[in-house]
Amino acid sequence: GESVGLHLPTLSVQEGDNSIINCAYSNSASDYFIWYKQESGKGPQFIIDIRSNMDKRQGQRVTVLLNKTVKHLSLQIAATQPGDSAVYFCAEREDNQGGKLIFGQGTELSVKP
Amino acid sequence: KAGVTQTPRYLIKTRGQQVTLSCSPISGHRSVSWYQQTPGQGLQFLFEYFSETQRNKGNFPGRFSGRQFSNSRSEMNVSTLELGDSALYLCASSLAAGELFFGEGSRLTVL
Repeated sequence: GESVGLHLPTLSVQEGDNSIINCAYSNSASDYFIWYKQESGKGPQFIIDIRSNMDKRQGQRVTVLLNKTVKHLSLQIAATQPGDSAVYFCAEREDNQGGKLIFGQGTELSVKP
Repeated sequence: KAGVTQTPRYLIKTRGQQVTLSCSPISGHRSVSWYQQTPGQGLQFLFEYFSETQRNKGNFPGRFSGRQFSNSRSEMNVSTLELGDSALYLCASSLAAGELFFGEGSRLTVL
């Protein structure tokens, strides 16, 4: 079946560096993509989203890039802080699928002080 | 504005029992979705309810069921529990087709 997967299960960065978390998706019918952050013992927290008619979207310290040609999604975190340490999930959704998201496996980001 | 509230937060059951989990969405949100999170399978979609009707369903056996009430609160039920049902069950609410807001989850342990 269709799936969303991550290239790297763990990522360790130094505080202040930029982080890049990658995600591959396989469903060409997906038109909405989201990044979530999940801290230990908590539910996923929305970070940023992007629709398929865009290739880049910026938020506060975060940027999401979408490359539909190679079905690749990335999350860039600028000036990574210890509070950014968490598991990051990408997710995709087909048009008209409402609350049905397909999640990737997750990448654990560890920020060293 | 209160977030998504799930109860109970933790529960322990034995094989063969059944369990009911509750979710109160953010006020004004009419869509409630349920997910199962396990270390091996990650986050998997169970089902979605919108205006008391199941709108989407994932690939889970019939032992997993849900419902939504007129006030948008939702419950999910798992019958004849198996060891493999041990997981974090997450509820998310949203406006019609917007961003999903997740609760903290209900952690179920089946012994």
